[in-house]
Amino acid sequence: GQQVQQSPASLVLQEGENAELQCNFSSTATQLQWFYQSPGGSLVSLLSNPSGTKHTGRLTSTTVTKERRSSLHISSSQTTDSGTYLCAPFNVGDNSKLIWGLGTSLVVNP
Amino acid sequence: EAAVTQSPRNKVTVTGGNVTLSCRQTNSHNYMYWYRQDTGHGLRLIHYSYGAGNLQIGDVPDGYKATRTTQEDFFLLLELASPSQTSLYFCASSGTGVEQYFGPGTRLTVL
Repeated sequence: GQQVQQSPASLVLQEGENAELQCNFSSTATQLQWFYQSPGGSLVSLLSNPSGTKHTGRLTSTTVTKERRSSLHISSSQTTDSGTYLCAPFNVGDNSKLIWGLGTSLVVNP
Repeated sequence: EAAVTQSPRNKVTVTGGNVTLSCRQTNSHNYMYWYRQDTGHGLRLIHYSYGAGNLQIGDVPDGYKATRTTQEDFFLLLELASPSQTSLYFCASSGTGVEQYFGPGTRLTVL
């Protein structure tokens, strides 16, 4: 079945630096979702990007479907960006389930 | 704004006890999910549902039952709880299966 690898496992930045998070998956995905989990545990969807490049605020996601990879770029990081970023590809052939990576833990220091 | 609520937020029980975790969504979504999250394993799908009365088995269903009584309500039942079920449990709803809205989580400890 689908497997998801996220890298790096953890990242420490100074405020204002940029972050580049990677997600590689083993099988075809018709959709790909990026989520953010706060240090307190709450989970929210950031954006959905099945292919190409999408922007929302300081976030840019680029997904290359044929190469089964996606990236999430965070520009001008802020301390409030600290948390875990999760990648989850989706394929209707997988019984409508998201397949989850272990995430990248980001710490942004002031 | 999408809303998914879970209760209780924290629960402590003993080995062999019965536990029911509740989830309610007010999004009019068809899909609802129960996940558990453990360090080193990430989010793992326990059970999910396409609508009232429907139940689908997830990836780690052993020791869990679920019931979807209405469009809004999805319950997770642990009969004879074991310490291995100590975890953080999340409920989520979705209109499409892709963009999922999560509840705040329930931290369960089985002593």
